[in-house]
Amino acid sequence: AQKVTQAQTEISVVEKEDVTLDCVYETRDTTYYLFWYKQPPSGELVFLIRRNSFDEQNEISGRYSWNFQKSTSSFNFTITASQVVDSAVYFCALNPGNTGKLIFGQGTTLQVKP
Amino acid sequence: KAGVTQTPRYLIKTRGQQVTLSCSPISGHRSVSWYQQTPGQGLQFLFEYFSETQRNKGNFPGRFSGRQFSNSRSEMNVSTLELGDSALYLCASRDGQGMGTEAFFGQGTRLTVV
Repeated sequence: AQKVTQAQTEISVVEKEDVTLDCVYETRDTTYYLFWYKQPPSGELVFLIRRNSFDEQNEISGRYSWNFQKSTSSFNFTITASQVVDSAVYFCALNPGNTGKLIFGQGTTLQVKP
Repeated sequence: KAGVTQTPRYLIKTRGQQVTLSCSPISGHRSVSWYQQTPGQGLQFLFEYFSETQRNKGNFPGRFSGRQFSNSRSEMNVSTLELGDSALYLCASRDGQGMGTEAFFGQGTRLTVV
């Protein structure tokens, strides 16, 4: 079975705190892709990052960083020094290698309070 | 470069009616996918088209159908609407073969069935 689990339904932090959003995936494919998307109240999904199954290198982009560990089937997302503008729903998604289909987790609602 | 355009943005329909939603992908993108988003079920894959051919279909009843035109624009149709079809319908387009690349999403069509 192919599945994505985001165990944290809602997270609330105070501005400037660091926060980590967890993502665990299941797939038997050897080739697959992982994504993180942000959904602000406007509804449009905004792409944050893409990783393929052969690239376990962690990535940092400004205040955002991602930790991909195949051994634990996890692809976690950390926001450093959170800001109110980071408040949104964040989705982790799995793309099996032989399709264009995205399998989404249930999403984590992040609220950053001033 | 224009983004993914979905029309209409909002729709109210009565049970039993049918509805057609439209999606114009980013110019040059030949892969278009559709997703249904509800509070209870989250984001679920409906179907994917590539060069006018349906390449994948999710677990939805036959009332849900779609097509893609030669200019890559896509439509999805829901017949005999039920209350449970009320949802945000999102369209995504991708370049290349549409597998593993970044999916660009439209702002969605909010369908309410009464």
